[in-house]
Amino acid sequence: SFELTQAPSVSVSPGQTARITCDGVLADQYAYWYQQKAGQAPILVIYRDTERPSGIPERFSGSRPGTTVMLTIAGVQAEDEADYFCQSADSSGSYLFGPGTMVTVL
Amino acid sequence: QITLKEAGPPLVKPTQTLTLTCTFSGFSLWSSGVGVGWIRQPPGKALEWLALLYWDDETRYSPSLKNRLTFTKDASKDQVFLTITNVAPVDTATYYCAHQVVEPLRDAFDVWGPGILVTVSS
Repeated sequence: SFELTQAPSVSVSPGQTARITCDGVLADQYAYWYQQKAGQAPILVIYRDTERPSGIPERFSGSRPGTTVMLTIAGVQAEDEADYFCQSADSSGSYLFGPGTMVTVL
Repeated sequence: QITLKEAGPPLVKPTQTLTLTCTFSGFSLWSSGVGVGWIRQPPGKALEWLALLYWDDETRYSPSLKNRLTFTKDASKDQVFLTITNVAPVDTATYYCAHQVVEPLRDAFDVWGPGILVTVSS
């Protein structure tokens, strides 16, 4: 089995850049990122490491620097305050979510 | 437009069997590459993947829960069903169903239902 690790929280001022990392994604698997605001269902913001679904603002981007996957929010806005979860899979087709990172906009 | 909505009892007693229904629209489970998944979230905690059902009836379960889960579909009614046997208070969570399409999204859940809170308590 495997597990995904995320920092519990990140704080950022409006207009600055938030970087959220997820460790533990297997080399042959993709990572996915979801945004979840309080009391709401998650929303997919990045798929296949770097792809952005239609309707997701360009300030959201995904990357894979080395063995870590990263979600970057450039020019953070107040509306970006939320929990962010990474997701991946193992070779057997089982899925796993990370513990989540709470992004606070100061 | 793809939509999903979960339904089920808000309160279940320990040891009982919980049955959840997901009714969807905007896609067909007869279509190649399409799947529906169940994910849950205990209050204040992380998301936990439970199960996935594909258009071809391939079914996957979380290894830690597979002995208690059964995932079925009625594609003609655009519904899927998840049963969880022998529930306990630790199963208290918001349960979500979500849409998946293999191409181009691969393993991503791109549309989620609003979720339903199920409490397990005597």
